[in-house]
Amino acid sequence: GQQVMQIPQYQHVQEGEDFTTYCNSSTTLSNIQWYKQRPGGHPVFLIQLVKSGEVKKQKRLTFQFGEAKKNSSLHITATQTTDVGTYFCAPRAWSNTGKLIFGQGTTLQVKP
Amino acid sequence: DSGVTQTPKHLITATGQRVTLRCSPRSGDLSVYWYQQSLDQGLQFLIQYYNGEERAKGNILERFSAQQFPDLHSELNLSSLELGDSALYFCASSVGGHPSSNEQFFGPGTRLTVL
Repeated sequence: GQQVMQIPQYQHVQEGEDFTTYCNSSTTLSNIQWYKQRPGGHPVFLIQLVKSGEVKKQKRLTFQFGEAKKNSSLHITATQTTDVGTYFCAPRAWSNTGKLIFGQGTTLQVKP
Repeated sequence: DSGVTQTPKHLITATGQRVTLRCSPRSGDLSVYWYQQSLDQGLQFLIQYYNGEERAKGNILERFSAQQFPDLHSELNLSSLELGDSALYFCASSVGGHPSSNEQFFGPGTRLTVL
């Protein structure tokens, strides 16, 4: 079955530093979604990537989909305290029978 | 506010008991998904319903069951509760039934504590 690895599990940064989380799949993906969950909150959809090599930006957030459509990354430039939370990838595989898999998540702490 | 509502917000019960969690999807959404989130397990997909019918099943225990009613609200029933069932249970909804093309909107969750 589909295996998903999201790294790192935790990241502590100083405010203003950059942050990157990676999501790797054992199988080729049809697309991938990213969600953010603030402490005490619920996951909120950030973006969906569909095309090989796709890059999308949302202000300080940059999302990339690998050329082989097996991995993805989320990069935050100049982190702010409002970026605190857990970032989940949700990769969708072509072989997916309907089961939905989320990555383990990367929890970001930002020190002011 | 995602438009997805879940009740109750908190639930405290004892081992062996049975509880029902309720979810109302966003207006117009036909799919409802249930997830379990515990500290060491991340977001675990339990089950999906689309327009009243079961569409996909994850690692849902036999002690757990769900259904989606004609008005599209859904209920998750947890029985013979164990300490390990303590977790945050999220409901999410989406417009369509295919998980690969639909953004999901999550509710605020129900925190279940089993004592």
